[in-house]
Amino acid sequence: DTAVSQTPKYLVTQMGNDKSIKCEQNLGHDTMYWYKQDSKKFLKIMFSYNNKELIINETVPNRFSPKSPDKAHLNLHINSLELGDSAVYFCASSQVLTSGGNAYEQYFGPGTRLTVT
Amino acid sequence: SQQGEEDPQALSIQEGENATMNCSYKTSINNLQWYRQNSGRGLVHLILIRSNEREKHSGRLRVTLDTSKKSSSLLITASRAADTASYFCATGLKSTGANSKLTFGKGITLSVRP
Repeated sequence: DTAVSQTPKYLVTQMGNDKSIKCEQNLGHDTMYWYKQDSKKFLKIMFSYNNKELIINETVPNRFSPKSPDKAHLNLHINSLELGDSAVYFCASSQVLTSGGNAYEQYFGPGTRLTVT
Repeated sequence: SQQGEEDPQALSIQEGENATMNCSYKTSINNLQWYRQNSGRGLVHLILIRSNEREKHSGRLRVTLDTSKKSSSLLITASRAADTASYFCATGLKSTGANSKLTFGKGITLSVRP
């Protein structure tokens, strides 16, 4: 069974459109993330949710809006898509370790390759 | 600016050789992690080392951490063609609870020739 799944895997759309990417994890984790990986493979965090609550919101245009209906799901909606939004978007999840501090590993989904034309 | 930076950017070795990849960072950290990314796939966690640890092993992987030099190295011994991938270091800063986040470097492309 896939631990972190994303749909769709590929998304090709035109500038100005609105699109959504869905993410689900079956690991029972409390925390979920969205990352953007550009063409040079640089991976940058966009958002983080813990138990449906937004806890990290990096400098991301407000055209990007995450939604967490429950702690197993974190969807990403993008309005008015621009050429620069073309990238691979990764969802990830983690269970924060409660003993000894906050070290944790993250589990990544397979990615969604978004191409804006 | 980026927290973790890997070195070299690309590495090509023969199967059976050892591969050493380095990561440097700028601020105090809580932990440092290494991930692997195969082409077209998501990242896979390899190993986590905490700031009070100096060395960890996992199978053919050995990670060291030198907090005085703010650097880490990942050694893959007896490399295999299947080790061909991009490798990323990620640093977790000294912040609390769920607000902790990982900051990733740009990655190292490792090619292992059969």
